[in-house]
Amino acid sequence: GENVEQHPSTLSVQEGDSAVIKCTYSDSASNYFPWYKQELGKRPQLIIDIRSNVGEKKDQRIAVTLNKTAKHFSLHITETQPEDSAVYFCAASKGFGNEKLTFGTGTRLTIIP
Amino acid sequence: EAQVTQNPRYLITVTGKKLTVTCSQNMNHEYMSWYRQDPGLGLRQIYYSMNVEVTDKGDVPEGYKVSRKEKRNFPLILESPSPNQTSLYFCATSRAGAYEQYFGPGTRLTVT
Repeated sequence: GENVEQHPSTLSVQEGDSAVIKCTYSDSASNYFPWYKQELGKRPQLIIDIRSNVGEKKDQRIAVTLNKTAKHFSLHITETQPEDSAVYFCAASKGFGNEKLTFGTGTRLTIIP
Repeated sequence: EAQVTQNPRYLITVTGKKLTVTCSQNMNHEYMSWYRQDPGLGLRQIYYSMNVEVTDKGDVPEGYKVSRKEKRNFPLILESPSPNQTSLYFCATSRAGAYEQYFGPGTRLTVT
C-alpha cells in the first residue's frame, strides 16, 4: 500500500520567515496530494491541495509543489505569522482523495514572535 | 449549517466493554471515513464507506467494525476495546467526485 513520509517532525521559524515541509510517497499511481492544518485541540482542515497534472499551486502565502518523477511534494509558507503555528499533515490518494487517503506523520510548526 | 457531528466527544471505558462512537453528517455526502490519530503516527484510516451498505477496510481495521445503513450515519463499533485502542478518533466526509474531506470534532477515547 501507499506510504507517505513527512519531514521534519518539528519546525520552528521566526515570524516573517518562510517554512517548508516535505513529503515523499511510494505509490506512483497516487494522483491527489492535500495538506491539512490542525490547530491545537481542533479538527484537521484542508488548506491546499494539488493534483498530479499540476506542478505547483499557490494560495496567498501558501504554495504546494509536486515532483512526480521523484515522488515528493512540499508545502511552502511565506511571511509566517503566529496563527500559522499548528500541526500540518500531508496526504496522498489514488482516487478523488475521499476513498483511501494516506497521511504523513505530521509536522509541528511553531512561529517564534 | 453544514455539520459533521460525533458522539461522545470524550469517553473513558474499561477493557472489553462494547462501545459505539456515532458520526452523523447533514451534507448528503456519499463518502465517510474513520481515522485514529496517535502521537507520532499521524492520522490512520480505519474504515471508509463509499455509500450506503458499501464499506471497506483502511490501514488499521483490526478491532473495529462499521456499518452504513443510512447515508447520514457511519458508526464505529469497538466490540471488545483494548488499551491499545486509546486514541483520538475522527470521522470525515466528502462528496462523491470531490476532493476535500470534512472532519468531525473528534472523540477522545481512553480504554483502561
